[in-house]
Amino acid sequence: KAGVTQTPRYLIKTRGQQVTLSCFPISGHRSVSWYQQTPGQGLQFLFEYFSETQRNKGNFPGRFSGRQFSNSRSEMNVSTLELGDSALYLCASSLTRYNEQYFGPGTRLTVT
Amino acid sequence: SQQGEEDPQALSIQEGENATMNCSYKTSINNLQWYRQNSGRGLVHLILIRSNEREKHSGRLRVTLDTSKKSSSLLITASRAADTASYFCATAVDTGRRALTFGSGTRLQVQP
Repeated sequence: KAGVTQTPRYLIKTRGQQVTLSCFPISGHRSVSWYQQTPGQGLQFLFEYFSETQRNKGNFPGRFSGRQFSNSRSEMNVSTLELGDSALYLCASSLTRYNEQYFGPGTRLTVT
Repeated sequence: SQQGEEDPQALSIQEGENATMNCSYKTSINNLQWYRQNSGRGLVHLILIRSNEREKHSGRLRVTLDTSKKSSSLLITASRAADTASYFCATAVDTGRRALTFGSGTRLQVQP
């Protein structure tokens, strides 16, 4: 079975721009979660989607949003990018909301 | 915020030696998971231990959980150079919330 994939793998954006990242979960997995990893803050939970509905949200500003499609693919969007948004963005999928999460390789976003 | 704190922050050992990493957390949990991350890439799920379990094994990995002390340890036996990575513990507060709270990680270096 193919693992979780994320696109793009690397991205460079300018302050003030917006960005959309994609996550393709493992086939059959219905839960997708997003995490941000930075050297200063470590790994932090952004949000979780299950059956196209956001189930949980971490402590991030409203500039961070996401959605999930009927095929379980998920996107996250960051508007009005700030330098501090530079990070590795990881998504994870799981079969249901109660199973182990499997992570993708991440999208490395650099904001200049 | 990070619930888990890992100790040590960095560990350097020789191939063939055992590596022990510890994780402490603050609140009651449903389960605790250990992940490995190679050099800023995605996280690889290693093992999940539920709050009613005390010990779990998977290959060269042994995980213990002491809920009274709110701590867990990961033992890697007969380490290999390929085990060089960062190791994170992650806690799930309850089954209804997918948000994993990650520790700060232990950087393990296995010298060949």
